[in-house]
Amino acid sequence: NAGVTQTPKFQVLKTGQSMTLQCAQDMNHEYMSWYRQDPGMGLRLIHYSVGAGITDQGEVPNGYNVSRSTTEDFPLRLLSAAPSQTSVYFCASSHGQTLNTEAFFGQGTRLTVV
Amino acid sequence: SQKIEQNSEALNIQEGKTATLTCNYTNYSPAYLQWYRQDPGRGPVFLLLIRENEKEKRKERLKVTFDTTLKQSLFHITASQPADSATYLCALDGLGGGYNKLIFGAGTRLAVHP
Repeated sequence: NAGVTQTPKFQVLKTGQSMTLQCAQDMNHEYMSWYRQDPGMGLRLIHYSVGAGITDQGEVPNGYNVSRSTTEDFPLRLLSAAPSQTSVYFCASSHGQTLNTEAFFGQGTRLTVV
Repeated sequence: SQKIEQNSEALNIQEGKTATLTCNYTNYSPAYLQWYRQDPGRGPVFLLLIRENEKEKRKERLKVTFDTTLKQSLFHITASQPADSATYLCALDGLGGGYNKLIFGAGTRLAVHP
């Protein structure tokens, strides 16, 4: 039982490049989310999904796309990277039951855009 | 505007003492509030969840209170140990609609000295 797995752990991109951050969970959780964490700020929600085929925007969705074709996977795509997207990205999942809304986080992807 | 505030300065305490961390929020009406621990280079780890109709929650040496009138949560670690040194994040379901869409404070760094 690996929990939430993110790849890669580190990435350097040039401005304008595209890439996909991978996230997979093996807990059969319905809810999955992507957050970014910047120094001195709380984690901010980028996109979330409540189940396969269903995604929606969070607080800071601009510049990012997501899709959810399976329960397990929730990739985050940067279509044209910008220096403002330099951050640490965390994927999280949680069970879709109201009484059990603990979120499980991956180890993070540290992205630098130069 | 909506915001969540945690003590931005680090909290330094002596081993064995009780650490008390504060989380204040404005212009939210959360159904629940959560506390997470984050170690450097790692993802947040869930500690406790308290619902709006609960005043207090305990788990081993941890205690959380939730005052919806004051819009404040207090997080206590009793008999603190150097291993408790970490950053502690509070989070609430600030975006509405359920689905565990969390809004995070910036965190308070706790250092427990032997």
